[in-house]
Amino acid sequence: DAMVIQNPRYQVTQFGKPVTLSCSQTLNHNVMYWYQQKSSQAPKLLFHYYDKDFNNEADTPDNFQSRRPNTSFCFLDIRSPGLGDAAMYLCATSSLGAGETQYFGPGTRLLVL
Amino acid sequence: GQNIDQPTEMTATEGAIVQINCTYQTSGFNGLFWYQQHAGEAPTFLSYNVLDGLEEKGRFSSFLSRSKGYSYLLLKELQMKDSASYLCAVRDNYGGATNKLIFGTGTLLAVQP
Repeated sequence: DAMVIQNPRYQVTQFGKPVTLSCSQTLNHNVMYWYQQKSSQAPKLLFHYYDKDFNNEADTPDNFQSRRPNTSFCFLDIRSPGLGDAAMYLCATSSLGAGETQYFGPGTRLLVL
Repeated sequence: GQNIDQPTEMTATEGAIVQINCTYQTSGFNGLFWYQQHAGEAPTFLSYNVLDGLEEKGRFSSFLSRSKGYSYLLLKELQMKDSASYLCAVRDNYGGATNKLIFGTGTLLAVQP
């Protein structure tokens, strides 16, 4: 089935140790998004790619970076994770057109020790 | 500013009907989405409204009034599996090639026997 896949589902890292989260999609969507969601809060958009065009949200910390080597894959790099970065990280995709519904992956829950 | 309001929690009985309200104030408007999110999982798409009126999809219906900045999600014949958080999200006129979603904090629905 066409879907959005995120690996790993759970990630434990140490304070200050770089970590990479991955997202892949078989929907052939041209837009990919990364959200951060903390407990009982709304998903917060970090950035998105429209094809290879990177769009960063104004309030996304420099500690968060992203790469999209091809249409199918997108990575979230956290250069120096802090305790406050512990959260669920959601990848979503959409295709420009009527509705432009965003479809989410299962998320990666990041724990920072 | 951007503001989306929805009740924090609601409780309903199995087999009953529940209405979850959402009001929004955004700088632009290009559609409203409802997502369902079970604890620890990714949001899943439920409905989309861009014109005023009611959209029905099985046990779920969503209503939009753009002039009032108001939407509701109606769930009929409630089942225990409907216990989840329901997120209201507005697609803003981002001004770029894509439109971003602004999420509310979600309404946690508990369905009781």
